[in-house]
Amino acid sequence: DAGITQSPRHKVTETGTPVTLRCHQTENHRYMYWYRQDPGHGLRLIHYSYGVKDTDKGEVSDGYSVSRSKTEDFLLTLESATSSQTSVYFCATADYNEQFFGPGTRLTVL
Amino acid sequence: KNEVEQSPQNLTAQEGEFITINCSYSVGISALHWLQQHPGGGIVSLFMLSSGKKKHGRLIATINIQEKHSSLHITASHPRDSAVYICAVGEGFGNEKLTFGTGTRLTIIP
Repeated sequence: DAGITQSPRHKVTETGTPVTLRCHQTENHRYMYWYRQDPGHGLRLIHYSYGVKDTDKGEVSDGYSVSRSKTEDFLLTLESATSSQTSVYFCATADYNEQFFGPGTRLTVL
Repeated sequence: KNEVEQSPQNLTAQEGEFITINCSYSVGISALHWLQQHPGGGIVSLFMLSSGKKKHGRLIATINIQEKHSSLHITASHPRDSAVYICAVGEGFGNEKLTFGTGTRLTIIP
C-alpha cells in the first residue's frame, strides 16, 4: 500500500475561518489529488497536481486553493470556510496504473 | 463532461450468490477503475482496465469499449464483501482526472 496520510483526520470549525488540510505521501508519486465526498454525489475532484508547483482546478474548485512545494506534500486550503464545505475530503496519489487513497478527513463547518 | 452511472444503487444478496454491478459512461475514456469503499470509509483500488477482462481472486471486471459499459462480478460472495463499490473513468493521460459514479452499496447476508 502507498503510504498516504492525511491530517487532521477530523476537524470542526466555524464559518469564516481558514482551514488547511494536509496530505503526505512516501511513495514519490507524481500525481496528487484532492476530492470531496458527499451523500448523493460521487467523489468529486477539487484540485490536482502533476508535479511540484504544478496544479490545476478540478470540477468543484471554487472556495479552495492548493499548494505543492514538495513532492510528498499537497495542501488544501479553505480560505474562509462555509457550511457547504462540510464534507469528507480524500487525498489520493497515482502512479501510471492506479490511484491510492488516503484515509480521509471529516470536516464540519458550523 | 463524462456521466457515469452505476446500477443498482443498493444490492442485498445471500452469502454465496454471484454478484454483478454495472457501470456505464457517456464519453470515450482512457481507463476505467473499480474501487471498494469499506464501511469504515477507506477506499481501495480493485482494478484499472482499458479493454477486455481482469480477474483477481473472486473478483472479475470486464469492459466493453464500444458499448461504454463495464461490469464488476463477485463469485461466491461473502459477508466481508459488503462495501460500496465505485466505478470511475479517466479521460486524460495516465490517471489525471477521474469522474466517479455514486457507488453501489452491497450487503451480503450470512
